[in-house]
Amino acid sequence: QKEVEQNSGPLSVPEGAIASLNCTYSDRGSQSFFWYRQYSGKSPELIMSIYSNGDKEDGRFTAQLNKASQYVSLLIRDSQPSDSATYLCARSGAAGNKLTFGGGTRVLVKP
Amino acid sequence: KAGVTQTPRYLIKTRGQQVTLSCSPISGHRSVSWYQQTPGQGLQFLFEYFSETQRNKGNFPGRFSGRQFSNSRSEMNVSTLELGDSALYLCASSSTSFWDEQFFGPGTRLTVL
Repeated sequence: QKEVEQNSGPLSVPEGAIASLNCTYSDRGSQSFFWYRQYSGKSPELIMSIYSNGDKEDGRFTAQLNKASQYVSLLIRDSQPSDSATYLCARSGAAGNKLTFGGGTRVLVKP
Repeated sequence: KAGVTQTPRYLIKTRGQQVTLSCSPISGHRSVSWYQQTPGQGLQFLFEYFSETQRNKGNFPGRFSGRQFSNSRSEMNVSTLELGDSALYLCASSSTSFWDEQFFGPGTRLTVL
């Protein structure tokens, strides 16, 4: 079992719709969670961090964390073609700043 | 505030050679982490340096090494290059704390022929 799992996609959503991305992790010692967006040929860009159970909203993005279920999700509201990218879920644990990444979910927003 | 910078952006080397990559973190950030990204393995952690000391290490062979200078700039070195070392090498910086947000540089694309 991989430490961090994501559906590779592609997740195809129409423009204006909500994109829902999921991520599960295996290490219950995980402390913090991050969502990155990566455009083809570019480096990952931090979208959101979440540290405690519940929801965290930032603009069109909402991250949700459920430590009991070992589950993190990202919602993208009012999806735009510019949101088309690969979204990477990452966690860090007791080892500090070592991030463990999932394989990423490719999102395609169709006009 | 300037972001993370990495040099060079592109490198082509041949098997058996060695390479040194450089990273300058965001001003005020003292932690620098290095990652390797390949299509097959995804993003994998190499090591982290904080205050010139290696604080964490991933599961890579000893051919991969790094260091950090007193101004927080970091270098990583790969000796005796193999074809499988072809990858995007990413540097990320964060502030002092554990579990803090990490911000990536543009990466160095290494091709080993």
